[in-house]
Amino acid sequence: NAGVMQNPRHLVRRRGQEARLRCSPMKGHSHVYWYRQLPEEGLKFMVYLQKENIIDESGMPKERFSAEFPKEGPSILRIQQVVRGDSAAYFCASSPGVGGTGELFFGEGSRLTVL
Amino acid sequence: SQQGEEDPQALSIQEGENATMNCSYKTSINNLQWYRQNSGRGLVHLILIRSNEREKHSGRLRVTLDTSKKSSSLLITASRAADTASYFCATDVGAGNMLTFGGGTRLMVKP
Repeated sequence: NAGVMQNPRHLVRRRGQEARLRCSPMKGHSHVYWYRQLPEEGLKFMVYLQKENIIDESGMPKERFSAEFPKEGPSILRIQQVVRGDSAAYFCASSPGVGGTGELFFGEGSRLTVL
Repeated sequence: SQQGEEDPQALSIQEGENATMNCSYKTSINNLQWYRQNSGRGLVHLILIRSNEREKHSGRLRVTLDTSKKSSSLLITASRAADTASYFCATDVGAGNMLTFGGGTRLMVKP
C-alpha cells in the first residue's frame, strides 16, 4: 500500500515563474492537507481539502497561492510568480477522514528553491 | 503564534540515556500527537494521546498529557543513535483533523 506520494521532490524556479506541486494521498484517503516548513522550523498549516472542495485555506496567502483536489488525480498546490521567500519544503498529508484515528500520513515533501 | 511550543529546542545526549521533550499549547484540544522527522524527510506519526487520557506508552516512548497545564511530554527511554531526529508535537482542536505543529525539538543522540 503506497504512502503519500509527492512530486517533484526538488524544484528550482526563478523569480516570477510558477511552481506546481503534486500530492497523491494514500489509497482510500479523501482528506488532504498542505503544510510549509522553513529550515529549522515547524510546519505551518496552509490548506485543507477534500475531494473537489476546499475546507479551510486560512493558512494560505490569498495572493499567488492556490490549491485544488479534483475528483480524479492528485492534489495540486500552485504558486504563481514565485519570490525568494517562497523557498521552503512543502509537505502534503492525508487522512481517511471519517473513521480515521486522527493521525496524518505525510509525504516526503517537495523542496522549492527560488533563485 | 503557534499552538504548540516545544522545549528544549535542541537536546544532545549519550546513547542509553533518556530524552525528555516538552510541549505547551494554548487552546482546548481533542488530542495531541507527536511526530518525528529525520533530516530531509517527511514526518512520521509516533503516538496520539486523547484529551481524556493522562499517559500512554508505545515501546520506548512514553507520553503524558496535563490538560490543566496545557502541556505534554515525550520521554524516549534508552535512546539510540538512530533516535537522532526532530520531534514535533501537534494539536488537534477538532477541525477535521487539521493539526497545528510546534517548532520542534532537535534531538541528537551520540553513540
